[in-house]
Amino acid sequence: DTGVSQDPRHKITKRGQNVTFRCDPISEHNRLYWYRQTLGQGPEFLTYFQNEAQLEKSRLLSDRFSAERPKGSFSTLEIQRTEQGDSAMYLCASSSKGTAGNTIYFGEGSWLTVV
Amino acid sequence: AQRVTQPEKLLSVFKGAPVELKCNYSYSGSPELFWYVQYSRQRLQLLLRHISRESIKGFTADLNKGETSFHLKKPFAQEEDSAMYYCALSENTGFQKLVFGTGTRLLVSP
Repeated sequence: DTGVSQDPRHKITKRGQNVTFRCDPISEHNRLYWYRQTLGQGPEFLTYFQNEAQLEKSRLLSDRFSAERPKGSFSTLEIQRTEQGDSAMYLCASSSKGTAGNTIYFGEGSWLTVV
Repeated sequence: AQRVTQPEKLLSVFKGAPVELKCNYSYSGSPELFWYVQYSRQRLQLLLRHISRESIKGFTADLNKGETSFHLKKPFAQEEDSAMYYCALSENTGFQKLVFGTGTRLLVSP
């Protein structure tokens, strides 16, 4: 499968611990997105990278959240001092301007449960 | 504020019946509208986009700017259409910043 891959797929952590999620976009996609989805809701935009530059961050992304894309390829999303409200599915997506009308391709997501 | 509303959480129909999944939006500019679908145990994927004006898997959607709607329609539902459907709009920000609705689960019974 050469689609967007995310790791880990599931993570259970205790409140107050730090967690990190990794996303590997489709090869040569220069645009990368993080979304969050809670139960009963649609995905909500968190942040966007073009190559290695983080160009937009949602107000949902508190200072406990940090996302990086150091070499313009894979990306990490770290949540520090997790809270129960952080429990959600974290979705990564990628796209490449100019291909197929800039279609966004989503990964399968990383489930986070904070206990 | 930008918003996408999908009023139905669940839509249950019989195979062969027509289907209409409702989507209304609020946006001050000219948005780009999409329908995404998530089949059981699969990732979220694009079904169709309004600028393409195409029919995918028998589904069509017409953008009605007057009613700010983008309803998804199919004349004859199939069991394999059972899935979660999300309507989304893209803000004109130079990249696709998607705003999603809460989704409608379509259940097609035999």
